[in-house]
Amino acid sequence: AQSVTQLDSHVSVSEGTPVLLRCNYSSSYSPSLFWYVQHPNKGLQLLLKYTSAATLVKGINGFEAEFKKSETSFHLTKPSAHMSDAAEYFCVVSQGFSGGYNKLIFGAGTRLAVHP
Amino acid sequence: DSGVTQTPKHLITATGQRVTLRCSPRSGDLSVYWYQQSLDQGLQFLIQYYNGEERAKGNILERFSAQQFPDLHSELNLSSLELGDSALYFCASSAPGQRSTGELFFGEGSRLTVL
Repeated sequence: AQSVTQLDSHVSVSEGTPVLLRCNYSSSYSPSLFWYVQHPNKGLQLLLKYTSAATLVKGINGFEAEFKKSETSFHLTKPSAHMSDAAEYFCVVSQGFSGGYNKLIFGAGTRLAVHP
Repeated sequence: DSGVTQTPKHLITATGQRVTLRCSPRSGDLSVYWYQQSLDQGLQFLIQYYNGEERAKGNILERFSAQQFPDLHSELNLSSLELGDSALYFCASSAPGQRSTGELFFGEGSRLTVL
């Protein structure tokens, strides 16, 4: 069975400092992994995705994530936080697409606060 | 803008009542997913439809039902509402089979408040 664990429920950083949001996954085969962001009162938006191509994935708004199979991790990073990055971030693993069904397993979310 | 449209954006109703939430997927997407997001349960998968047929069920209560119509829009019906049903309900869509990378496109949600 596949699962995903976000190691921090809340992360607080100062504007201009690096961001690290941690995610570990469990999968019996090579997974597809995603990070989604949810701003207050908004729907979820895809930040980036890993689908067995390059292990370092670049996403929107300066975010990137590195797939590390040996550590079963897919941590999200950004070199310099901006106030607009304050949001909830979800790490997601896909069990694949079969018979018209795409099952995604969502992590519990990490709420990122950015302080001036 | 994800291309997924949900109505209504906000809904306030009383316990015991019934409501219908509507979702229009992105043009060309055949799959529609419904999720419930609440403070205590997080993001919970409810149900998925693919080209009009139910394909997967998650933690959907028997009081809830959904369907996808021939024009691919979907409706989520919530009945005998309880206070605990207050939540943000999201609809998402994805591209058909071979073109899908597992990415879902989410609407902005319908916020249901049960008083």
